[in-house]
Amino acid sequence: ETGVTQSPTHLIKTRGQQVTLRCSSQSGHNTVSWYQQALGQGPQFIFQYYREEENGRGNFPPRFSGLQFPNYSSELNVNALELDDSALYLCASSFGQADTQYFGPGTRLTVL
Amino acid sequence: QKEVEQDPGPLSVPEGAIVSLNCTYSNSAFQYFMWYRQYSRKGPELLMYTYSSGNKEDGRFTAQVDKSSKYISLFIRDSQPSDSATYLCAMTPNTGTASKLTFGTGTRLQVTL
Repeated sequence: ETGVTQSPTHLIKTRGQQVTLRCSSQSGHNTVSWYQQALGQGPQFIFQYYREEENGRGNFPPRFSGLQFPNYSSELNVNALELDDSALYLCASSFGQADTQYFGPGTRLTVL
Repeated sequence: QKEVEQDPGPLSVPEGAIVSLNCTYSNSAFQYFMWYRQYSRKGPELLMYTYSSGNKEDGRFTAQVDKSSKYISLFIRDSQPSDSATYLCAMTPNTGTASKLTFGTGTRLQVTL
């Protein structure tokens, strides 16, 4: 059984740029949730995708957007990067919308 | 006020000690409670998962939920240096649709030899 994987591991961008982060869900899982974890803080819910549809969104602006593909992998896109977007971005997959979530290792984004 | 409050620590204990980690919350809709362990520069790893009030034990770990007090705890018996990590509590109303997890800030634990 393959766990949740994320790419890239690290990323450095400058303010105003756009970034795409990728997540492959655990085998058999059809739901992907994205979280932002700032340094010294707990993860904050960005949004969840279930069967390719957005299924719940946290308190993040529209410049945070996502996609889920037919194989249940997912992308997180962030436009017009700001310094405060520097964080660890975590992807979690689950079998269903309300099932236990299993996290990937995260992508560490630094915005200069 | 945050929905979930957790003492950030750091908490330093000697090997073999009993560790108590706690979270309080304000949203009475929370029904499912989780503890995750996060090693430095890694993703959170699920440790314990409990529903509503009560206790759950798994090896050296015991999770307790007191919904009347809006208080949850994780106890670690016979703590080991490998337990050194940040422990995150998380909870959700889990209405059967989107299960957004709300996390505490995490408590950093250091188990010393």
